[in-house]
Amino acid sequence: ETGVTQTPRHLVMGMTNKKSLKCEQHLGHNAMYWYKQSAKKPLELMFVYNFKEQTENNSVPSRFSPECPNSSHLFLHLHTLQPEDSALYLCASSQEIPGQGADTQYFGPGTRLTVL
Amino acid sequence: GQNIDQPTEMTATEGAIVQINCTYQTSGFNGLFWYQQHAGEAPTFLSYNVLDGLEEKGRFSSFLSRSKGYSYLLLKELQMKDSASYLCAVRDSNYQLIWGAGTKLIIKP
Repeated sequence: ETGVTQTPRHLVMGMTNKKSLKCEQHLGHNAMYWYKQSAKKPLELMFVYNFKEQTENNSVPSRFSPECPNSSHLFLHLHTLQPEDSALYLCASSQEIPGQGADTQYFGPGTRLTVL
Repeated sequence: GQNIDQPTEMTATEGAIVQINCTYQTSGFNGLFWYQQHAGEAPTFLSYNVLDGLEEKGRFSSFLSRSKGYSYLLLKELQMKDSASYLCAVRDSNYQLIWGAGTKLIIKP
């Protein structure tokens, strides 16, 4: 049983829709991540939250908006997406140790997003 | 730039041994991870190497050579359930994870 859950597992949306992806971790970690996974490409880190503060935003388009209300929950708000945004969106969590970086990341099952 | 290379796809026979290689060029090194990802599922942690040498964990072993920028994942006594993608990731000097594109392993009876 995974300690990181994601909903929904599948999402189909039009380019004018607004939707949100949800992630919840039950591992007591203090860092959470959003990744984009496209076929045959490396995982792309989108956002990082450490201690609920956003510490990284890898030049992600503004049509993706993260929200981290507490250390256990992470959202990705989607607005006016493009067909090229279709991918698997993975959430992960880890324990960040000050001065030593993050420990092993644990992943959720992902949301398969299709933008029509 | 930073780069992780691993084969795109490999095929092996049930019961056999397979070695999946990973070479890396990164800004510093703070450990190398291997993950397994079955189709449509979460990547799951397999192993972590930070010192040179072989780490054995049941049927799976992972090797690291920091001087060569090289690692491999060795899977013994292959089972059909081992059909999956295997992801190599390196943590650089800023403790950022740099990911490879993954190796899809196909196991045939």
